[in-house]
Amino acid sequence: QVQLQESGPGLVKPSETLSLTCTVSGNSITNYYWSWIRQPAGKGLEWIGRIYTSGSTNYNPSLKSRVTLSVDTSRNQFSLRLTSVTAADTAVYYCARLADHCFDAWGQGSLVTVSS
Amino acid sequence: DIQMTQSPSSLSASVGDRVTITCRASQSISTYLNWYQLKPRKAPKLLIYAASSLQSGVPSRFSGSGSGTDFTLTISSLQPEDFATYSCQQSYDSPWTFGQGTQVEI
Repeated sequence: QVQLQESGPGLVKPSETLSLTCTVSGNSITNYYWSWIRQPAGKGLEWIGRIYTSGSTNYNPSLKSRVTLSVDTSRNQFSLRLTSVTAADTAVYYCARLADHCFDAWGQGSLVTVSS
Repeated sequence: DIQMTQSPSSLSASVGDRVTITCRASQSISTYLNWYQLKPRKAPKLLIYAASSLQSGVPSRFSGSGSGTDFTLTISSLQPEDFATYSCQQSYDSPWTFGQGTQVEI
């Protein structure tokens, strides 16, 4: 059974870069799409982007100018970088596996607060 | 972007109740509609995919229906572990978008 775990700083200063890593266990990362999704407090989920294990990416246009996804198949990990963060980027960030048009496995989420 | 609108935003129910949550898409999405259960500090859980297919391991009291723009998630007999937030998501077109969520509470 695949398991995902987010890791990274819980506090980021405004204008700096948010970086998170998702470690996949119980299954190979290869031959799947992997996504990041976030949820600000009191709001709905927002899809950030997806990456295939070849490195091919698709981003939400609302965040595209600030987002970079990367994958390290040797470590079974994929990562998120979000630049120039503001308080509006404060959210729980989830990593998830995208399979057959649905997110069938998720991490528990990582709360990232943007504050000085 | 395709907008997903859920109703109600919250509801109060009791154990054993039949619960219905509605999700409406801003354009037709065929049956590219998924439902998730969210609980604090837990991994979200896929319940229903392709509008009406039950994910493996999910209890049969959960069911989904609909196509086009209107969809429904039904819990036939609410159990204590079902008190959570439920979110729909369209996978018809990128960017994938979610409803705002429906909180099911006692």
